[in-house]
Amino acid sequence: GDSVTQTEGQVALSEEDFLTIHCNYSASGYPTLFWYVQYPGEGPQLLFRASRDKEKGSSRGFEATYDKGTTSFHLRKASVQESDSAVYYCALGRSSNTDKVVFGTGTRLQVSP
Amino acid sequence: NAGVIQTPRHKVTGKGQEATLWCEPISGHSAVFWYRQTIVQGLEFLTYFRNQAPIDDSGMPKERFSAQMPNQSHSTLKIQSTQPQDSAVYLCASSPGGEGNYAEQFFGPGTRLTVL
Repeated sequence: GDSVTQTEGQVALSEEDFLTIHCNYSASGYPTLFWYVQYPGEGPQLLFRASRDKEKGSSRGFEATYDKGTTSFHLRKASVQESDSAVYYCALGRSSNTDKVVFGTGTRLQVSP
Repeated sequence: NAGVIQTPRHKVTGKGQEATLWCEPISGHSAVFWYRQTIVQGLEFLTYFRNQAPIDDSGMPKERFSAQMPNQSHSTLKIQSTQPQDSAVYLCASSPGGEGNYAEQFFGPGTRLTVL
């Protein structure tokens, strides 16, 4: 079945550091890929999505590029801020047969001032 | 648009008691999902409905958990004979659904269940 792997469980950075959170997926065809962000006390919210090979999704300075060749959708940000501290989820969805979304295990980002 | 509403926000039960969690999806959304979130397990899918019909309950512990969606404006998750290991944040999400218009899920703030 479809699956999403996030290799980093926790990431600790200082403000203005460069962020990379790795996401790899396993699925046939062209699923839609998502990044969600969850702040303390809230539910996850969509950061952005991408549906086609080489498509770049971006929002709030975060970006990720859909790469079918390496089955990856890595999240990057050039300069993190303390307010970016949150849990980030990579996810995969399809349009046919199911509304279900497969979420990765999440990466907790802690940014120190 | 008030977003997805979940009540109560916090619930404390004694071991063996019943807990009922409520979710009001965004008006017009056709799919409703329930998840359980813990530090150890992360975000776990429990079940979902499309147009009020149960579609996939593969994540539900069969013996004590049940979910219903009696009308398009609310869904409930019921846990019978609660156990300490049921302590978690239970998240509800809704989605516009429909072919080609899938998969962005809008989450509520969650219900934190504590079983003593």
